[in-house]
Amino acid sequence: DAGVIQSPRHEVTEMGQEVTLRCKPISGHNSLFWYRQTMMRGLELLIYFNNNVPIDDSGMPEDRFSAKMPNASFSTLKIQPSEPRDSAVYFCASSFRGWTSGEQYFGPGTRLTVT
Amino acid sequence: KNEVEQSPQNLTAQEGEFITINCSYSVGISALHWLQQHPGGGIVSLFMLSSGKKKHGRLIATINIQEKHSSLHITASHPRDSAVYICAAGGNQFYFGTGTSLTVIP
Repeated sequence: DAGVIQSPRHEVTEMGQEVTLRCKPISGHNSLFWYRQTMMRGLELLIYFNNNVPIDDSGMPEDRFSAKMPNASFSTLKIQPSEPRDSAVYFCASSFRGWTSGEQYFGPGTRLTVT
Repeated sequence: KNEVEQSPQNLTAQEGEFITINCSYSVGISALHWLQQHPGGGIVSLFMLSSGKKKHGRLIATINIQEKHSSLHITASHPRDSAVYICAAGGNQFYFGTGTSLTVIP
């Protein structure tokens, strides 16, 4: 398996623009996690899905952020409108089932810069 | 006060040394993860613990649910172990340590 795939790897955009980050989990994994990492706040869990259903989105910072998982092999994280404070590395990870099922497998991350 | 506290924040060791990184948490959790982040930024999940002890090669992780404490041990440390180690505790909510930066000198 190719592992967790994220795209794009780098994104530079201007404030106010819409940004869409994409993730393809490992085939057979039922859980998908979106994380954000910044120097100031460290690693944070934004949202996670089980069987394509959002289970916990309490980490989503505000209404400008939305995440979808239309099927088992694809998820998106959208920011609209983007702001400079959204600049961060966004990681996607997948696992067989949930937080307690075992180790998670992380994608390479998307480095987002909002100017 | 942070719900998850890691110590030490920074650690420098000579190759071959035994290393311990600690993680204490103040909330109820269902599982705790140890993550390794290499200088290039990639993250690898090392362990998921809900009780007891796990071992992978030179790495050992333990958790004491009653004391709300977990440790990550590295035996016979090697320069390739140089990385940031992050503990992540979760149940109803999710909390992350600020990381321990480990440098192993040849």
